[in-house]
Amino acid sequence: NAGVTQTPKFRILKIGQSMTLQCAQDMNHNYMYWYRQDPGMGLKLIYYSVGAGITDKGEVPNGYNVSRSTTEDFPLRLELAAPSQTSVYFCASSSVGNTEAFFGQGTRLTVV
Amino acid sequence: GDSVTQMEGPVTLSEEAFLTINCTYTATGYPSLFWYVQYPGEGLQLLLKATKADDKGSNKGFEATYRKETTSFHLEKGSVQVSDSAVYFCALTDSWGKLQFGAGTQVVVTP
Repeated sequence: NAGVTQTPKFRILKIGQSMTLQCAQDMNHNYMYWYRQDPGMGLKLIYYSVGAGITDKGEVPNGYNVSRSTTEDFPLRLELAAPSQTSVYFCASSSVGNTEAFFGQGTRLTVV
Repeated sequence: GDSVTQMEGPVTLSEEAFLTINCTYTATGYPSLFWYVQYPGEGLQLLLKATKADDKGSNKGFEATYRKETTSFHLEKGSVQVSDSAVYFCALTDSWGKLQFGAGTQVVVTP
C-alpha cells in the first residue's frame, strides 16, 4: 500500500522561481491537506480539500495555490518563491474529517 | 476560529516516569480530538483519538479523555520508555473537516 506519496523529497529553489509539490493518495480519501512545518514549530495548515473540485484556505495560504481535479491528487503550487517559504511540507489525507489522517513523508524545501 | 493549545516543551523525563502533556481546545461546534506523534525525520502518525465528550482514546499505553466541560484532551502515559521520545501533537477537526494542530511538544526520555 503506497498511502500518501509526496514528490520530491528535497528541493532547492532560487528566489522568484516556481514549483509544484506533488501529492497523491491511493486510499480513495475525500479529504486532503497541505501543511508546512518550520523548525521547532507545529504544523500550519496551508490549504485543504474536502473533495474533487473543492478547496479552501487554511491559516497560511499566501504565496501558495492548490487544485483538486481528481480524488487522488492534490498538488501545491508555489509562485515566486521567497526565503520565508523555506520549510518542510506535509501532505495528508483522510476518508472523512473525524477519522485518522495519513501523512506523506514530507518535502524539504529550501529557498535561497 | 477553532484552535488547539498545548504545553510547551521540551519535556525531559527518566525512563519509567509518568508523562502528562496538557492540551486544551477552542471550538464552536463539537470537534473530534486527536493525538499524533512524529518521530525524527518522519511524518506524523495517529496515536489515539476521541470523537465525542467523555470518550477515552488509548493506544500503546497512552490515554486521553475528551473533557467537554474543561475543553481538554490531556495525554498521559504511566511509564515511558526511551522509544517514546518524539514530538507529540494535539489536533482537532471541526465540522467542516479542517484538521488543525497545536504547536507540538517534544518529549525526551533518558535511560
